[in-house]
Amino acid sequence: DTAVSQTPKYLVTQMGNDKSIKCEQNLGHDTMYWYKQDSKKFLKIMFSYNNKELIINETVPNRFSPKSPDKAHLNLHINSLELGDSAVYFCASSTSMNTEAFFGQGTRLTVV
Amino acid sequence: GIQVEQSPPDLILQEGANSTLRCNFSDSVNNLQWFHQNPWGQLINLFYIPSGTKQNGRLSATTVATERYSLLYISSSQTTDSGVYFCAVEGGGFKTIFGAGTRLFVKA
Repeated sequence: DTAVSQTPKYLVTQMGNDKSIKCEQNLGHDTMYWYKQDSKKFLKIMFSYNNKELIINETVPNRFSPKSPDKAHLNLHINSLELGDSAVYFCASSTSMNTEAFFGQGTRLTVV
Repeated sequence: GIQVEQSPPDLILQEGANSTLRCNFSDSVNNLQWFHQNPWGQLINLFYIPSGTKQNGRLSATTVATERYSLLYISSSQTTDSGVYFCAVEGGGFKTIFGAGTRLFVKA
């Protein structure tokens, strides 16, 4: 059983398109996150949700919009994709804030 | 915000060797995790260790919170240990900050 699953695993798209990445966790966790890993492997938090409520919104362009329909899902929608958005995006979850986090397998986004 | 520094940035080992990876952080933290990112990109939880010592097989970790550092020990390294090891801390504001990682390559 996959604890934190993301779809798709790979996404190649053209500049200007709108795309979504989905994330689901079956761990019963209350908190979910999105992270971005750049080409130098540096990981940075983008958003976190606790009980469907946005808790952290880092300095991310407003083209990125997270949506949490329920505690088990946190999707990431990206409008007007740019070349610089190419990265690996990781979803994660934890029982609550400040506890052990578990990561999905990542979505490699390539904007051409 | 909290600064997280990992050392060494790169490490090459012969299979069977032991190593110590270090994570220094600039302020008190509420939690600390060690992750291994394998060559396929998966982030694997190694330890959740805000303080104290834990062991899991050939790996062990120690966090000395009062001195603001954590150590990850790898004994009898294997080629499957290759990848990037990350330290991540949460110190306040509910933000988890990752270090830049230690890139480990274990030669057969």
